[in-house]
Amino acid sequence: QSVLTQPPSVSGAPGQRVTISCTGSSSNLGAGYDVQWYQQLPGTVPKLLFYGNSNRPSGVPDRFSGSKYGTSASLAITGLQAEDEADYYCQSYDNRLSGWVFGGGTKLTVV
Amino acid sequence: QITLKESGPTLMKPTQTLTLTCTFSGFSLSTGGVGVAWIRQPPGKALEWLALIYWNDDKRYSPSLKSRLTITKDTSKNQVLLTMTNMDPVDTATYYCAHSIPPYYLDSSAYYHYYFDSWGQGTLVTVSS
Repeated sequence: QSVLTQPPSVSGAPGQRVTISCTGSSSNLGAGYDVQWYQQLPGTVPKLLFYGNSNRPSGVPDRFSGSKYGTSASLAITGLQAEDEADYYCQSYDNRLSGWVFGGGTKLTVV
Repeated sequence: QITLKESGPTLMKPTQTLTLTCTFSGFSLSTGGVGVAWIRQPPGKALEWLALIYWNDDKRYSPSLKSRLTITKDTSKNQVLLTMTNMDPVDTATYYCAHSIPPYYLDSSAYYHYYFDSWGQGTLVTVSS
């Protein structure tokens, strides 16, 4: 049971917009700790997609956007492409657990 | 360009002690505001943070695994080591090391805001009798 809760799967057609939620609590996202998002393409290493809630590292397409509000965060992908098919993980710090925590991951399928 | 590479045994027996080495380039662990973390991922499962060591040798461990973990650094060799005692089949996973920094808008003392911006390729460790 992950401290950060994500839907196990989401899907969308090419060109559509999808969102992935990440629900935390008062000891992590609600305590002011930032959320990060990582993309893990099939069989590859996780790649940083967003840091500090909504900051996009260079090279990440602006089709991707991140936000955080209270104890929740969201990753949005517009103009969905087949190459976006991957597992997405949110991550933050939890002061009750005294450690960095990841969500359970969301598998995005482009149908 | 930052690169990290994990190395160590691929097959372990239960109760053995695992030692993994992360060899990196493109940064120095003697520079303020830098850390190296270990993160693992069991096959088909989610990521799990294990440990983090900062440039100043401050260390953080996953509370659930703290009694089994030791993280150290060798700045002269650009290496970070992780040892995990009493290995069990549930510890079968791909183990990653990752470069860790705070966001640009926070200083190096924002320990709990560090995130993982560059990852090694990972090494699969299987624990089986």
